[in-house]
Amino acid sequence: KAGVTQTPRYLIKTRGQQVTLSCSPISGHRSVSWYQQTPGQGLQFLFEYFSETQRNKGNFPGRFSGRQFSNSRSEMNVSTLELGDSALYLCASSSDSSRDTQYFGPGTRLTVL
Amino acid sequence: DQQVKQNSPSLSVQEGRISILNCDYTNSMFDYFLWYKKYPAEGPTFLISISSIKDKNEDGRFTVFLNKSAKHLSLHIVPSQPGDSAVYFCAASPNTGNQFYFGTGTSLTVIP
Repeated sequence: KAGVTQTPRYLIKTRGQQVTLSCSPISGHRSVSWYQQTPGQGLQFLFEYFSETQRNKGNFPGRFSGRQFSNSRSEMNVSTLELGDSALYLCASSSDSSRDTQYFGPGTRLTVL
Repeated sequence: DQQVKQNSPSLSVQEGRISILNCDYTNSMFDYFLWYKKYPAEGPTFLISISSIKDKNEDGRFTVFLNKSAKHLSLHIVPSQPGDSAVYFCAASPNTGNQFYFGTGTSLTVIP
């Protein structure tokens, strides 16, 4: 089975712009979770989608949003970018419940200038 | 508010010796715990898990210990190998939800 893929791998944006990141889960996986990783903060949970519905949400401002399509692919959008949004964004998929083992993609490295 | 803490940002161990990575948590609702390993430029990969009904789980060279009263878990790697050099994250999930809370990671270096 192909693993979790994320595109793009690297992205450079300027403050105030918006960005969309994409995640394709492992075939057959219906749960997709998104995390932000920054130095000293570890992985911070953003949200989880299951069958096109947001099932869980972390403590991030409304500038961070996401969606999931019928084929389980997911996108994450960040609007009005701030310098502090520079981070590695990871998505993880699992078969059903997100308490199942999560399989992570390689991440998208976002740099905001 | 960091509910899962890994207080050692880094650890160096000689090849062949034991590596012990520690993790503390504050939320008594956590009942499922995992360890992930992360190499640079790759996403974390699942290593081992433990549920709160157990206090130990073994998988080859890797053993996870859970002390519920102390809200502490540890990962033991015996014997340590240079290929184990990576960042290790512990994660916890509450019985009321479907999300994981991650620690900040410990960078392990195994010296040949």
